[in-house]
Amino acid sequence: QKEVEQNSGPLSVPEGAIASLNCTYSDRVSQSFFWYRQYSGKSPELIMSIYSNGDKEDGRFTAQLNKASQYVSLLIRDSQPSDSATYLCAASNTGFQKLVFGTGTRLLVSP
Amino acid sequence: NAGVTQTPKFRILKIGQSMTLQCTQDMNHNYMYWYRQDPGMGLKLIYYSVGAGITDKGEVPNGYNVSRSTTEDFPLRLELAAPSQTSVYFCASTPDGSSYNEQFFGPGTRLTVL
Repeated sequence: QKEVEQNSGPLSVPEGAIASLNCTYSDRVSQSFFWYRQYSGKSPELIMSIYSNGDKEDGRFTAQLNKASQYVSLLIRDSQPSDSATYLCAASNTGFQKLVFGTGTRLLVSP
Repeated sequence: NAGVTQTPKFRILKIGQSMTLQCTQDMNHNYMYWYRQDPGMGLKLIYYSVGAGITDKGEVPNGYNVSRSTTEDFPLRLELAAPSQTSVYFCASTPDGSSYNEQFFGPGTRLTVL
């Protein structure tokens, strides 16, 4: 069974702090990884994608991938209350782009 | 572009009833997916399609059926609804099977089976 594991949280951080969200995956052949943000009652929206070991930065967001440790993380710098949402980690490893999702980490950013 | 649209937004079914959840995309994407999301959980793949006339099962296909007669539409059919099918259903699409593609999600259908 291919799995993606996340801590369900909630992860509480004060406004302006760095939020660190983590994800591990079980299938070593996973090739690409995605972080989706989901507000309550809404659909997932893509925040970051990463395919190679190392860091990938986009604005306040940095995704980190370590394939040897089967570990993916998302850092959110200067966290804002509007970042409060559930963050879903997903892995893809087939030619059909079938995603395996984690259960999500709920992030709460307090003013 | 409207992107991925789903109807209805909400629906309450009685046990044993049937219904079809509609999904349409206007991005000319070949690949489409149906997921369900139970409270506090991630998304589970129900069925997917790689093009018109081609569908395959995902992780949790039991109790559901799909068809893909056109590139744009990918309806999900529930036969003999059961309380275990109470969930939020999301349709998604992507251009092709590349592992690097983003999946675009519809707004979801919230289904309650009583």
